[in-house]
Amino acid sequence: EVQLVESGGGLVQPGRSLRLSCAASGFTFDDYAMHWVRQAPGKGLEWVSGISWNSGSIGYADSVKGRFTISRDNAKNSLYLQMNSLRAEDTALYYCAKEDTAMVTFDYWGQGTLVTVSS
Amino acid sequence: QSALTQPASVSGSPGQSITISCTGTSSDVGSYNLVSWYQQHPGKAPKLMIYEVSKRPSGVSNRFSGSKSGNTASLTISGLQAEDEADYYCCSYAGSSTFLYVFGTGTKVTVL
Repeated sequence: EVQLVESGGGLVQPGRSLRLSCAASGFTFDDYAMHWVRQAPGKGLEWVSGISWNSGSIGYADSVKGRFTISRDNAKNSLYLQMNSLRAEDTALYYCAKEDTAMVTFDYWGQGTLVTVSS
Repeated sequence: QSALTQPASVSGSPGQSITISCTGTSSDVGSYNLVSWYQQHPGKAPKLMIYEVSKRPSGVSNRFSGSKSGNTASLTISGLQAEDEADYYCCSYAGSSTFLYVFGTGTKVTVL
């Protein structure tokens, strides 16, 4: 059974940093691209960032480019999101999602970790 | 990277059919047959319902179907059921040389 478990969320002041983690199990982690998708309270989904299986290809939404860094450790079956210079508008539930290579879409999602940016 | 445009809400009676539109641009929906649709119930993670415009993952009811014309994709739910009441989001691949995806604004489906 595929499982994605996010952690690392919490309350942080504007301008500070936070690192999210996603622990994956139930599939061969290093065969698949992975993504972060966020959802502000009461709002819609927003793709944040994605990384290929070997970290050779990485992309970011314009809203986080230059502030967030995605990475992965295939030996630990883990995905990360380093978030710097956090803003109030980064407040959201952050989901980790697995990309199905054949379908080019997000076929499995975690339950999310909540990040609240507030003074 | 503007969000794809969806109607805020769509409603229908049980047994009826409804269609949700998803309008993008020639840089996303219009360029790739890589539009997906997700269903999200309150407090739950999104669930994949349609991928590659019109394909259904295993286990998804055939009451859900997708299509695309130009820069607009559509999700149709036929034989509407109470459990279909949820938020629905479209998503399109939008990157030419790197990862780039864009989601729709979301549509609340209400079963009357």
